Amino acid sequence: DAGITQSPRYKITETGRQVTLMCHQTWSHSYMFWYRQDLGHGLRLIYYSAAADITDKGEVPDGYVVSRSKTENFPLTLESATRSQTSVYFCASSEDPGQVNSPLHFGNGTRLTVT
Amino acid sequence: AQSVTQLGSHVSVSEGALVLLRCNYSSSVPPYLFWYVQYPNQGLQLLLKYTSAATLVKGINGFEAEFKKSETSFHLTKPSAHMSDAAEYFCAVRINMDTGRRALTFGSGTRLQVQP
Repeated sequence: DAGITQSPRYKITETGRQVTLMCHQTWSHSYMFWYRQDLGHGLRLIYYSAAADITDKGEVPDGYVVSRSKTENFPLTLESATRSQTSVYFCASSEDPGQVNSPLHFGNGTRLTVT
Repeated sequence: AQSVTQLGSHVSVSEGALVLLRCNYSSSVPPYLFWYVQYPNQGLQLLLKYTSAATLVKGINGFEAEFKKSETSFHLTKPSAHMSDAAEYFCAVRINMDTGRRALTFGSGTRLQVQP
């Protein structure tokens, strides 16, 4: 099925552990994004990627690492999880967000709890 | 830098009443503006977008928004609320530039409750 898939949907991990959130899209969109959603803050951009092997920091990149070796995948890694990284993480893709007729398509999110 | 401010984190209306969700933007250049909706346990879906072609924009599910440059606002309205409209609504902005960060900045969201 065409779309954007995030896995896992739910994850509980301990402080200090490394955890990777997966994102896969089937449209071959050039741009992919990671946002985190926290009460009172809305969605904040963590990292984005304009194409394979091109990534850039967003508003809140500290503690996160991304890679984009293939156009369709954009994994987000928390190198050493902290409680402040407990959040809902959304992946999104777009052919070109600079074009207004190219909206963001969102996955269903990953709810991460760091204990 | 561009930003959006959503006034009111929670709005409650009765079924059949007018829905008004407020969004003000800050941008030094003409912006692209969007409203997204998030239903429980789902990602965000595009409701409507402002492209500078028309100041009154119609979206899905009977929603519309009016771009008012003088007020730097892009409020979302619906004449008659339905129970199915209960969700969280996000205003977002992207500046209309050829270069620069090609990502959206989102407001903090407004949760709409619809009372029977």
